[in-house]
Amino acid sequence: DVKVTQSSRYLVKRTGEKVFLECVQDMDHENMFWYRQDPGLGLRLIYFSYDVKMKEKGDIPEGYSVSREKKERFSLILESASTNQTSMYLCASSLRRQETQYFGPGTRLLVL
Amino acid sequence: DQQVKQNSPSLSVQEGRISILNCDYTNSMFDYFLWYKKYPAEGPTFLISISSIKDKNEDGRFTVFLNKSAKHLSLHIVPSQPGDSAVYFCAASVNTGKLIFGQGTTLQVKP
Repeated sequence: DVKVTQSSRYLVKRTGEKVFLECVQDMDHENMFWYRQDPGLGLRLIYFSYDVKMKEKGDIPEGYSVSREKKERFSLILESASTNQTSMYLCASSLRRQETQYFGPGTRLLVL
Repeated sequence: DQQVKQNSPSLSVQEGRISILNCDYTNSMFDYFLWYKKYPAEGPTFLISISSIKDKNEDGRFTVFLNKSAKHLSLHIVPSQPGDSAVYFCAASVNTGKLIFGQGTTLQVKP
């Protein structure tokens, strides 16, 4: 079974703090993705990566950056957290581009 | 610009009956469609998919129908079970692998 793990299930941060969300997959998948889920908006793509050290902007990249130094690990960085970044963050991976994405359990982030 | 829309935020059905969840899309370039199921405090799990070259795909109790001319996708669950109660997301992609998700429909199956 594919396993995608996220470093934290719940996080509480202060406005202006730098926040790191970590995601690790154990199936040697090429592609990794970061989404946020908000009520009434579904899942929206923040950033994705097709290979190590590669990154592509998704639909809502503003206020975020990412890092992929190793194939199995994809990090989402909030340089200066703001209250409108309070959300559920979901990481996903897929073997190839047109294949099913498998999701981690999510990190619920609250920015005060 | 919402390219994938699920216009029903919620649906309630009786156990044993059919659940029909609907999804509309606007981009005719989408060539792959998926349904995901999500329980509270968990990540979405893949349910079923369909390529644009097909109009139906079936997996046990779950069937997905694709009507390309109407740009409409539906998921049928027969028979519905209480454990099917969850949020269902449809998603679509072009060959880049990027998924565009709908807003989700909360299904409640009553015993």
